[in-house]
Amino acid sequence: EIVLTQSPGTLSLSPGERATLSCRASQSVSSSYLAWYQQKPGQTPRLLIYGASSRATGIPDRFSGSGSGTDFTLTISRLEPEDFVVYYCQQYGSSTGFTFGQGTKVEIK
Amino acid sequence: EVQLVESGGGFVQPGGSLRLSCAASGFTFSSYAMHWVRQAPGKGLEYVSGISSDGDNTFYVNSVKGRFTISRDNSKNTLHLQMGSLRGEDMAVYFCARSVPARFSFDCWGQGTLVTVSS
Repeated sequence: EIVLTQSPGTLSLSPGERATLSCRASQSVSSSYLAWYQQKPGQTPRLLIYGASSRATGIPDRFSGSGSGTDFTLTISRLEPEDFVVYYCQQYGSSTGFTFGQGTKVEIK
Repeated sequence: EVQLVESGGGFVQPGGSLRLSCAASGFTFSSYAMHWVRQAPGKGLEYVSGISSDGDNTFYVNSVKGRFTISRDNSKNTLHLQMGSLRGEDMAVYFCARSVPARFSFDCWGQGTLVTVSS
């Protein structure tokens, strides 16, 4: 099983600031199969990024993804009030299946 | 409109069984692999099980192997999860989700159904 470790656990920032969220894998992950999700309280997860860097339909361009191998990053260029929620990374491997990271909470400083 | 609606959650005692269902609409169900993902209260997302578009291939996380069975009925656009030998750690909201072909990310999620395991 591939373990995804997200850091930091909580990120305290102000609206308008830049957020950088990290997702580190215990072994190499295909960039094609690395995704990021946003989950607001009481809601279902929403796909933000797939293939490590491609934005899903309807996702604002302030969200961007990058990385390869074992290190991936979700960047939110300018935080809007609605962005202060929880984010998860997720990977797929043909022999190891699907796993999620434990999540990063972005909170208002 | 693409829609996934789960049902079948509820209260069950440890060791008991429950069958979850997910009704799909608004897309060609038989063309998509489908999955179950759960979230314990206040915790993160955990992948549980998945099934290929034709139902021939299934996958389970180690913690549910031998206890849970995923299936689908493409004629009725329905996904199922038969859960047995339930434990306290299985208590969670169970989401069904659709994966995008060849991308292995989940682009559509149901609202979830709560499974409570307690004596």
